[in-house]
Amino acid sequence: AQTVTQSQPEMSVQEAETVTLSCTYDTSESDYYLFWYKQPPSRQMILVIRQEAYKQQNATENRFSVNFQKAAKSFSLKISDSQLGDAAMYFCAYRSGNTGNQFYFGTGTSLTVIP
Amino acid sequence: EAQVTQNPRYLITVTGKKLTVTCSQNMNHEYMSWYRQDPGLGLRQIYYSMNVEVTDKGDVPEGYKVSRKEKRNFPLILESPSPNQTSLYFCAVRRDSMPDYEQYFGPGTRLTVT
Repeated sequence: AQTVTQSQPEMSVQEAETVTLSCTYDTSESDYYLFWYKQPPSRQMILVIRQEAYKQQNATENRFSVNFQKAAKSFSLKISDSQLGDAAMYFCAYRSGNTGNQFYFGTGTSLTVIP
Repeated sequence: EAQVTQNPRYLITVTGKKLTVTCSQNMNHEYMSWYRQDPGLGLRQIYYSMNVEVTDKGDVPEGYKVSRKEKRNFPLILESPSPNQTSLYFCAVRRDSMPDYEQYFGPGTRLTVT
């Protein structure tokens, strides 16, 4: 089974500043997808951003962007101009492009935004 | 509006008392799955289903059963719950054709087994 590692259990950022959450993964596959999910206190899982492994260009969604380093198997999430509403648990996830059936999640990073 | 519903949202039960958590979707998607979320462990897949009558084990299937008799429903059954099944459970749904990366999650079910 693939493994997804988030080495930062907790992070904090000042409002309006930038923060980067780390994620590494282990796979021997060449075709896969990577995701960042946000889980606010409501517990709802919200897709923040996704990256297809075959795409060299890093994905961007408004204030959220990723740094995808395929050779290093690294997939970090950058949040710019942090807002109070960004406070949440963030999960990195991997899904094979071949079998397509299982998602593998990291253990999560709890982000606090300081006013 | 795409919707995944789970019931109940909260449940406290005792060891050994059979229970079912329901999951229903209105998107007509083929793929449904169940996860459990535990502190420090993230989300782990319990079971998934590619379509009606097609189910398979995820990473942590022990102590759970599922069935997929209708496309829209995918109940999770705990025949004899134990305290180590105390957890937050999520049902998730996605299509089985491109683009298929969007996975819709239900609101979660908080289960406590005493």
